[in-house]
Amino acid sequence: QVQLQESGPGLVRPSETLSLTCSIIGDSFIAYYWTWVRQPDGKGLEWIGRLYHTGNTNYNPSLKGRVTMSLDTSKNHFSLTLNSVTAADTAVYYCARGVVVPAAKWNYMDVWGKGTTVTVSS
Amino acid sequence: IVLTQSPGTVSLSPGDSATLSCRASQSVRSGYLAWYQQKPGQAPRLLIFGASSRATGIPDRFSGSGSGTDFTLTISRLEPEDFAVYYCQQYGSSYQNSFGRGTKLEIK
Repeated sequence: QVQLQESGPGLVRPSETLSLTCSIIGDSFIAYYWTWVRQPDGKGLEWIGRLYHTGNTNYNPSLKGRVTMSLDTSKNHFSLTLNSVTAADTAVYYCARGVVVPAAKWNYMDVWGKGTTVTVSS
Repeated sequence: IVLTQSPGTVSLSPGDSATLSCRASQSVRSGYLAWYQQKPGQAPRLLIFGASSRATGIPDRFSGSGSGTDFTLTISRLEPEDFAVYYCQQYGSSYQNSFGRGTKLEIK
């Protein structure tokens, strides 16, 4: 059964870059959207973006060009980079597998990692 | 599309039935709506996709219904492990997918 595992620093300083990796265990990249979602403490879910196995990406416009996603097929993982972070970027970050839905532009997520907490603070 | 979930919090007892609402600001094409359950300290778990299809391993006491702008998640015969926060998500918009703010189902 597929598992996803997030990793990365738990503390990032303001104005610096947040970098996280999601390892895909027990599955391949093919035919899914690989997605990042975050959740500030006590708040709801925010979709950050997704990455298709072809390398195509879609990002949340609210993040204003600060986000980049990439995949490393040799290591079976994908990554999230968020630049110029502020305290508002403090959250639990989840990676998730998105199911391709024919005729739909977007997708739902059927497998989630456990999440990793990132705090932005000096 | 903005998703409004109601109520914000609902208090029920084990054995009761719960009806959670998700209302969209515009019609959700083809019923492209999912429901997730999230327990404290855990990741969300997919319950329902396509408005009414249960995900793998989800008990049949969970059911989804609705179309257009009004969707419902019904949980019959509440079990202690069902008390959690529930989120809806639409993925049919031509512009952006979105989540609702969640409904907290708490033990009365």
